[in-house]
Amino acid sequence: DVQMTQSPSTLSASIGDRVTITCRASQSIGRWLAWFQQKPGRAPQIIVYKASSLESGVPSRFSGTGFGTEFILTISSLQPDDLATYYCQQYNGDSWTFGQGTKVEIK
Amino acid sequence: QVQLIQSGAEVRKPGASVKVSCKVSGYTLTELSIHWVRQTPRQGLEWMGRFYPEDGQAIFAQKFQGRVTLTADTSTDTAYMQLSGLTSDDTALYYCATDFFCDTVRCYHYWGQGTLLTVSS
Repeated sequence: DVQMTQSPSTLSASIGDRVTITCRASQSIGRWLAWFQQKPGRAPQIIVYKASSLESGVPSRFSGTGFGTEFILTISSLQPDDLATYYCQQYNGDSWTFGQGTKVEIK
Repeated sequence: QVQLIQSGAEVRKPGASVKVSCKVSGYTLTELSIHWVRQTPRQGLEWMGRFYPEDGQAIFAQKFQGRVTLTADTSTDTAYMQLSGLTSDDTALYYCATDFFCDTVRCYHYWGQGTLLTVSS
């Protein structure tokens, strides 16, 4: 099974800061990587798929990069609405695996 | 617009079983595969299994093999997840989600709203 290691587990930043979250796969998954945002009491919402494709309606301050085993989610200018937990997910093949999550807090 | 509407919260005693439904609208179930994921504060998001309504086949995470049954009623576009031998560790929020499917422009992916299962004596 592919293991996903996400870091950091918690991130505290100020409004306007550039924020990056990293996800590493235990083996190559090509571009089959998605990023989700989850707010309390809500289902996860997809923000990036296929490593770098921005989901329709997601603000352009979000971007994803990476290929193979290392992936990065960047928020170019953190906004109050970005307070949430972020998860990476690999979907290479028949099964999925999720990262442990990164809780983004506003400093 | 595709929507996945799940059944309501459930409470079960240890040792019992539960069956959660996931009704798909805006698409035909046989054109999708449905994944089931659960979420707990301790384990985070855990993939449980995947069901292919077109041929009725399913695959499971090893952790849930033998305890989870995935089915569907294609006449109502509803998928089901049954979990047996419940323990308090199965207390969680259970989600259904579509696989990623794409057209020439973009890909699509949808989640249900979640079903809370509480296992308690």
